[in-house]
Amino acid sequence: EVQLLQSGGGLVQPGGSLRLSCAASGFTFSSYAMSWVRQAPGKGLEWVSGMSRSGDSTYYADSVKGRFTISRDTSKNTLYLQMYSLRGEDTAVYYCAKEGGIDGRLDYWGQGTLVTVSS
Amino acid sequence: DIQMTQSPSTLSASVGDRVTITCRASQSISSWLAWYQQKPGKAPKLLIHKASNLGSGVPSRFSGSGSGTEFTLTISSLQPDDFATYYCQQYKSYSYTFGQGTKLEIK
Repeated sequence: EVQLLQSGGGLVQPGGSLRLSCAASGFTFSSYAMSWVRQAPGKGLEWVSGMSRSGDSTYYADSVKGRFTISRDTSKNTLYLQMYSLRGEDTAVYYCAKEGGIDGRLDYWGQGTLVTVSS
Repeated sequence: DIQMTQSPSTLSASVGDRVTITCRASQSISSWLAWYQQKPGKAPKLLIHKASNLGSGVPSRFSGSGSGTEFTLTISSLQPDDFATYYCQQYKSYSYTFGQGTKLEIK
């Protein structure tokens, strides 16, 4: 059974940093691209970042480019999102998601973790 | 970036109704489109991928169609469990983008 277990959310001050983790199980982690998607309170879904299955290629939404870094540790089957210079508009529930084997559909999602940026 | 526009934003319907949600892309995305269902406080669930392929375990009352820039999600006979918010997503190219969502409400 595919499982994505997230951790690392919380309250952080504007300008602060936070790292989210997504522990994967039930599939060969190194064989699939992964993404992060967020949802601000009461709003729709926003794709944030993606990483190829090899880890060689990373992609970011313009809204987070230069502030967020996606990475993966295949020895721990874990995906990360390091967030720097956080702003109020980054407040959201963050989801990690597994991409389909041959395309970018997001076929499995983590449970979500809330990041609140506030003083 | 490719923009995705869904309509309507809100849809009121009754159990047993047939409903259709539309998603338009700002440029051709071939068939690289997915539909998701999201319930309050829960992660989205994949319903349809590659425009018309049913996701694993998804009931057959859900169907998708379209290609290029115009796509539809149809629920043939609404069930109580179907009242939720629905999103389309293009995955032709990064940055992936979602539609703004369609909230399906009980009439």
